Amino acid sequence: DAEITQSPRHKITETGRQVTLACHQTWNHNNMFWYRQDLGHGLRLIHYSYGVQDTNKGEVSDGYSVSRSNTEDLPLTLESAASSQTSVYFCASSDSVGFSGYTFGSGTRLTVV
Amino acid sequence: AQSVTQPDIHITVSEGASLELRCNYSYGATPYLFWYVQSPGQGLQLLLKYFSGDTLVQGIKGFEAEFKRSQSSFNLRKPSVHWSDAAEYFCAVGAGGTASKLTFGTGTRLQVTL
Repeated sequence: DAEITQSPRHKITETGRQVTLACHQTWNHNNMFWYRQDLGHGLRLIHYSYGVQDTNKGEVSDGYSVSRSNTEDLPLTLESAASSQTSVYFCASSDSVGFSGYTFGSGTRLTVV
Repeated sequence: AQSVTQPDIHITVSEGASLELRCNYSYGATPYLFWYVQSPGQGLQLLLKYFSGDTLVQGIKGFEAEFKRSQSSFNLRKPSVHWSDAAEYFCAVGAGGTASKLTFGTGTRLQVTL
């Protein structure tokens, strides 16, 4: 069965370190998205991609970057982790033909100490 | 820009009682509307969606939602709540088309008492 997987599920890192969160989907979806979820804010869009070599900034992109070298993967990199980036991160994907909503990964809980 | 408001942060209902979760959206054209559910420690699961046509849409787990253009609302309903429905519920709006991104509300946490 097709799926979307995120790794790791949990990570603790130190302030200032570079961190990369992985997202891999086997749906063959062109569109991929990264959101962060924080209490009182719901889900906020960080970065998104509509295909290979395409990346776009979302509403809370400062301090984050993504790259899309193939259809399946959209890794999210925190260039220099800050305590304000402690959050739960969700990856999602969607088809570019007949949009029917997102399929979500299970999330990565990141703690920056 | 599109936006979503979920005015209720937390709702408590008794098992067997009816449920309505409110969602108001802001969007210039006909929106694509979604309800997602998130159980603790889990990702988000699609409950139902509205694109066009019949304004009352049925979803999984016995949920339904009604699109009311005049009120810019897309409220989620269930006639009889089960204890397993306790979760967080998110309303989302998108522009549709081949390159659509969703804007989510802040969520409503549902507690079910036995």
